[in-house]
Amino acid sequence: EAGVTQSPTHLIKTRGQQVTLRCSPISGHTSVYWYQQALGLGLQFLLWYDEGEERNRGNFPPRFSGRQFPNYSSELNVNALELEDSALYLCASSLRIQETQYFGPGTRLLVL
Amino acid sequence: AQKITQTQPGMFVQEKEAVTLDCTYDTSDQSYGLFWYKQPSSGEMIFLIYQGSYDEQNATEGRYSLNFQKARKSANLVISASQLGDSAMYFCAMSSLDSNYQLIWGAGTKLIIKP
Repeated sequence: EAGVTQSPTHLIKTRGQQVTLRCSPISGHTSVYWYQQALGLGLQFLLWYDEGEERNRGNFPPRFSGRQFPNYSSELNVNALELEDSALYLCASSLRIQETQYFGPGTRLLVL
Repeated sequence: AQKITQTQPGMFVQEKEAVTLDCTYDTSDQSYGLFWYKQPSSGEMIFLIYQGSYDEQNATEGRYSLNFQKARKSANLVISASQLGDSAMYFCAMSSLDSNYQLIWGAGTKLIIKP
């Protein structure tokens, strides 16, 4: 069974640009979660999608947004990039709400 | 308020020894789940083990076991016979209705296994 996949693996952008990160959940999983992990820090919850709907959002500005597609894959969009957006972005999926979250390999974003 | 506390920022352990990583939690919910994840330097978060609050037995998965003491609100991870590949960050996390089933994360413990 294929795990959670994310693309791209690495990304370099400049301040003010926009970026889109992609995530494909484990087959059959309907919930997708996005987290940000700045260097040396813990995980900060960004967004949770389930059955195509945004279910919850962490304490991040509106320039962080996303969506979930009918096939349950998801995109995370970040507009007007700032230097502090440099981080590892992790996507996770779960079979249902409150089930174990399984993570992808992450996307490392560097904003210059 | 939901909270996870991992009091050990870093640990050094000799290869083949057992290691215990501490995790205490705070919740007013009666039903909750406790998780441990491993994060190697590559960055991927790897699920290790799960304990439900109503589980009567301590969870075990291979060399990993969870020492669940409900009255003390602790959920320590025990790794038996440590290996060099166990060197990584380890995170304890909790989910419950009160958190809308979002994972509440601890700050992590950096484990280094010495040869």
